[in-house]
Formats: sequence, C-alpha cells, structure tokens
Amino acid sequence: AQSVTQLGSHVSVSEGALVLLRCNYSSSVPPYLFWYVQYPNQGLQLLLKYTSAATLVKGINGFEAEFKKSETSFHLTKPSAHMSDAAEYFCAVTDYSSASKIIFGSGTRLSIRP
Amino acid sequence: DTGVSQNPRHKITKRGQNVTFRCDPISEHNRLYWYRQTLGQGPEFLTYFQNEAQLEKSRLLSDRFSAERPKGSFSTLEIQRTEQGDSAMYLCASSSLAGGPNEQFFGPGTRLTVL
Repeated sequence: AQSVTQLGSHVSVSEGALVLLRCNYSSSVPPYLFWYVQYPNQGLQLLLKYTSAATLVKGINGFEAEFKKSETSFHLTKPSAHMSDAAEYFCAVTDYSSASKIIFGSGTRLSIRP
Repeated sequence: DTGVSQNPRHKITKRGQNVTFRCDPISEHNRLYWYRQTLGQGPEFLTYFQNEAQLEKSRLLSDRFSAERPKGSFSTLEIQRTEQGDSAMYLCASSSLAGGPNEQFFGPGTRLTVL
C-alpha cells in the first residue's frame, strides 16, 4: 500500500519568508502526487499535481513542488509567504492497488506571522 | 455555482439516531467519492462510485454506513445508529474519467457532531 508522511504538523513563517512543507511518500510503483490546501470550514482545493512529466511542478498561488525519486520526496515551496497562505496543507498520493482513491497525509498547518 | 455541493453543512444529532448526507457532484462527472476527516487528520477514503455502480468500499465503512448513487448523479451517505466516534467531517469529491490521473474536486463537507 502507498502512504505519505508529512514532517511537521505545524509550520510558522514570517510574511515574505520562504515556505517549505515537507512530504515523503512510499510507493513501489511510480506515483501520482498531489498537494491540496484546506481553508477553515472549506473543502480541499488542488494546489498542484505530479503526473510523471516534469519533476518541478508549478501550481496556483505561487506554490511549486519538486519530485525527487531518489529521496521519495515531494516538498512544497513558495518563495515569499503571504498572510492569505495560512491554511492546512495536505500531501497525497494515488493508491495503485485501486486507481480510484487518494491517500492523504495527516496535514501541515501553516501559520504566517506579520 | 458549478462546484461540488454538500448538504447539510452541519448536522448535530444524538447517539443512536440515523443521519443522511447529500452530495451533488460537478455536472457530468461520472466518479463520486466519499471521505471522512477527523480533527487533525487528513481525509480517509470511504467509498466511490462510477456512475451508479459502487466500485469500492473501505474497511472503515462499517455495516452502519450505506451510500447510494441511484441515478448516477447525486449521492447520499447514511449512517444508522450513530455513535460518538462518527463525529467527523464528511467530504464528497467528484472527478471525470477524462480528467487525467484522478484529479478530484472536493465539496465543502458536512460536519457531523454526535452527542
């Protein structure tokens, strides 16, 4: 079975600073990987996805993630944090035993300090 | 609004009561999914439909849970004899077979509180 591990349940950065949210995955086959964002009392919104094309993936709101097979990582970054980036972020992977479902990590709450 | 909608947004019930949630997917999306999200955790897969056929169910879906999608459009999730452990956010998502590798669009969720 596939899984994802998000390192750090809570990350706090200053406005304008680099955002780095860490995600490692476990998979015996090439994965499809996702980052979702969840604002309070809302559903999940797709930030970006990796689908075996370019290893550096650009998403919405200035976020990007790099797929590193050797490190089994898919870390999310943003060069300059904005107050509106405060939210919960989930890394996720498809489960190839069943192409339907997505396996989510436990999430990282991002706080932005003024 | 052409996104996934869920009703109700909040439900408070007493232990032992039955509850039913509804999900309306994005129009013409033929796949529909249900997930459960507890506080501080990521969503966990419950079940999914392709058109009206329920193709997979998680072990999390006990006998008290039943989901339907009778006409291949909206779906309902019913929980019978609710327990306090059922308190969670229930998320619905939909996707299109033509939408690439399983890109799912999520609704706002139904937050269930069992007293």
